[in-house]
Formats: sequence, structure tokens, C-alpha cells
Amino acid sequence: GAGVSQSPRYKVAKRGQDVALRCDPISGHVSLFWYQQALGQGPEFLTYFQNEAQLDKSGLPSDRFFAERPEGSVSTLKIQRTQQEDSAVYLCASSPLGGSRETQYFGPGTRLLVL
Amino acid sequence: RKEVEQDPGPFNVPEGATVAFNCTYSNSASQSFFWYRQDCRKEPKLLMSVYSSGNEDGRFTAQLNRASQYISLLIRDSKLSDSATYLCVVIRSNSGYALNFGKGTSLLVTP
Repeated sequence: GAGVSQSPRYKVAKRGQDVALRCDPISGHVSLFWYQQALGQGPEFLTYFQNEAQLDKSGLPSDRFFAERPEGSVSTLKIQRTQQEDSAVYLCASSPLGGSRETQYFGPGTRLLVL
Repeated sequence: RKEVEQDPGPFNVPEGATVAFNCTYSNSASQSFFWYRQDCRKEPKLLMSVYSSGNEDGRFTAQLNRASQYISLLIRDSKLSDSATYLCVVIRSNSGYALNFGKGTSLLVTP
């Protein structure tokens, strides 16, 4: 079945380079979330969209991080001037409406390594 | 202090053993709780929700103690395939019900 997909699956970037990570949520899902998972840690919330509206970006670690979902489906997380501490797995999740008891479906993640 | 705290383990147990994981959360207003499972280099997947009355799903039992702000997961008759990281999750009070994860507890079930 068509789950959440993310691309690229792996990305190696040189420090200072800009990167763009893509998320294709499950078709029709209203809510979309981005999380960052550092090695040995649980995922940490970055930002949340309801359709095309970014309702919470409080988890973005710096102004180098920017996310968008212009048509309410595909989302892109952009990281400018990457630093070594940005190395992590970036997970995207979607849910049908965003209710508290709804399951969030995660994509396989993009593993980013900044050298 | 993180909002969700877990003992990271690792827990090494033999097949057939019973193992329990614990988790505490700091926001007393939290309403929804879950356990997720994450296999090595894979995405987290929902294992089970946690209800106030406690709930069971086969070999897995989840308990919630609101007064102590404490959540537990019990796995009976451990299988090799239970080896994974178990993530305690509390719903964020805002942010469209985004998930607040603990660090995860690593379980290795050995033959």
C-alpha cells in the first residue's frame, strides 16, 4: 500500500551546503509532522502542518531550518548552511486529521550526514 | 529536564522471560499516551495506546498511573523478534497532537 515516502533516503552534505528533504504523506492526510532523530535519541518534534498551514514551528532548532507544504500534500524541509550537528535522521509522519488518538504513520526517514 | 524520561537500558533477557519498561512524564495535563516500537535503522511504529484502565494486546500489557505520571509496558514470554527499541510517547499539549518521545529503551532477547 502507499505509505509515507521520503527522499532522498540518504544524503551526505559538506558543511555549509544547503539540503532539501522531501516527504510524500499518505494521500488525503491532513496533518503532517517533521521530527529529527539524533543517534541514540528518540525523535524530537520540529514542525507541524495542517493542510498547507504551518501551525507550529517551535521545534525548528534555528532559522537555518525551513519547512513548507504549499499545496497541502508534499512537504519539503530545507536546511541552509548545514552544520555537523544537523547530522541526524529526519522523519516525516502524517495522520488523517490530527486527533489525539490518531495513529501517526512514519516514513522511512532521510539519513543526513554533514561532513 | 525532558518531558518524557525512560531508562535507556539495554535490557538483555532470555527467550521466554518477562520484561517491564517504565516511563515518567512531567506534564500533568497530558491526556494521551502510547508505546512505539523502533527496529534498528527503521521508522517508529505504533505498538499500542495506553489507557487509564490499562490495556492488553496479546503478550503486551500497558499501564498508566496518572497520579504518579508513570507509564509501563510489560512483555510476557519474550520472543527473539521482540528485540527492538521501545519508545514511550506522550502527546504534546499543543502542536496538533505531535508526539513527545522518550529516549527509548533497548531490548535484546537472546536464545
